[in-house]
Parts: sequence; structure tokens; C-alpha cells
Amino acid sequence: DTGVSQNPRHKITKRGQNVTFRCDPISEHNRLYWYRQTLGQGPEFLTYFQNEAQLEKSRLLSDRFSAERPKGSFSTLEIQRTEQGDSAMYLCASSWTDTDTQYFGPGTRLTVL
Amino acid sequence: QKEVEQNSGPLSVPEGAIASLNCTYSDRGSQSFFWYRQYSGKSPELIMSIYSNGDKEDGRFTAQLNKASQYVSLLIRDSQPSDSATYLCAVNGIQGAQKLVFGQGTRLTINP
Repeated sequence: DTGVSQNPRHKITKRGQNVTFRCDPISEHNRLYWYRQTLGQGPEFLTYFQNEAQLEKSRLLSDRFSAERPKGSFSTLEIQRTEQGDSAMYLCASSWTDTDTQYFGPGTRLTVL
Repeated sequence: QKEVEQNSGPLSVPEGAIASLNCTYSDRGSQSFFWYRQYSGKSPELIMSIYSNGDKEDGRFTAQLNKASQYVSLLIRDSQPSDSATYLCAVNGIQGAQKLVFGQGTRLTINP
């Protein structure tokens, strides 16, 4: 068991481009969460899935953001028409229903130029 | 009022001393509480979870929860330079939601 993995680890893009991040949770975990963290702040919740169902989305998740977990395993987070304000660390976490302890992946650092 | 509040620090503690980190939260109905450690440029790493009033010890770490005062703390005994990091307090169950709400973190420096 290798823990939560995220790809890519770093992404540099130009304003207006689309980007997609992937998260692979711990294998037996059925809940998957996305957070965003900017410098000097704690992570902020974006959305979460239980199996393939997206159960909650933050109002931080604008129309340009979309997340999927099509088979209840890995998840993708897509940002369309990126803006400089999207520059942040995007963190994925997973947990099992019977506990609410979340384990984080290494994160994807996005820089929008 | 923020849902989860921490003193951002920096907190400076000599090596071998006890470091005390504090966190308050706004929702009395909150269910579970977590401390994460985050090194610069890295992701949060779980240190402790606590669910009921009182103390919970794990090695050099002790988490304390007081639901009546809506207060949770983390004590680090025999502080080591490797403990220098940002410590994040996280609360689950605020307003019944299944998500972690984090404080902004306390930056801790252990001085040799």
C-alpha cells in the first residue's frame, strides 16, 4: 500500500489554458477529497466523493472547476481557462467511511503565468 | 469569527522543552479533531486525532480536547529541531458537513 498519489507534482501553465490533475487514493478508501492551499493558509475544502458520487462542492469551486471519479477509484480535477488566482497547491486526501481520518497525497503545485 | 482559529506564530521553543499549540473552533456540534504537521513545500501529515474530551497521548505528542470550551491543543514534549514545521488544526463535522475545516496553522521553530 503506497498511500495517496497525485500527478503531476508540479504544473506551470499560461493564463487561459486548461489543466487536469489526477489523484489515486489509498486502495481501500471509498472517500476522496480535494483541497486547495495557498501560501500561509490552511487547506480549503473544494469537493468530495463517496465512491463515484460527488456529495459536496464548495462555493469556491467555480464553473471553471470540475471533478470526476468515474469508477470510484482515481479522481481528476480539471480547471478550465486558468487564472493567476488559481495558482496554489492542490491537495487530494482519502478516507474510509467507517473513520473520518483523512490522509493526504503529496499535492500538485500549480503556477499560472 | 473564523470556524477554526490558531495563532499563526511564529512560536519559538528551545530544544528539549515542551511546545504548546492551541486551536479554537466555532461549532459545538463538531465531531472530530485532528492535528497535522506540514513541512515547507510538503503536504499535511497526520499526527493525532481526538474525538472525546480529555487527553490522548502518542509518544511525545499529547492532544487535549475540551468541548465545553471549544478548544483543542497539542503538546510536544522533548521538542527536537525536526519538529520545526507548521502545525495545522483541523475539525470535521462543522455544521454537519463531512469535510475538514483547517485553521491557518502555527509555525513552530525549535531552537538547538
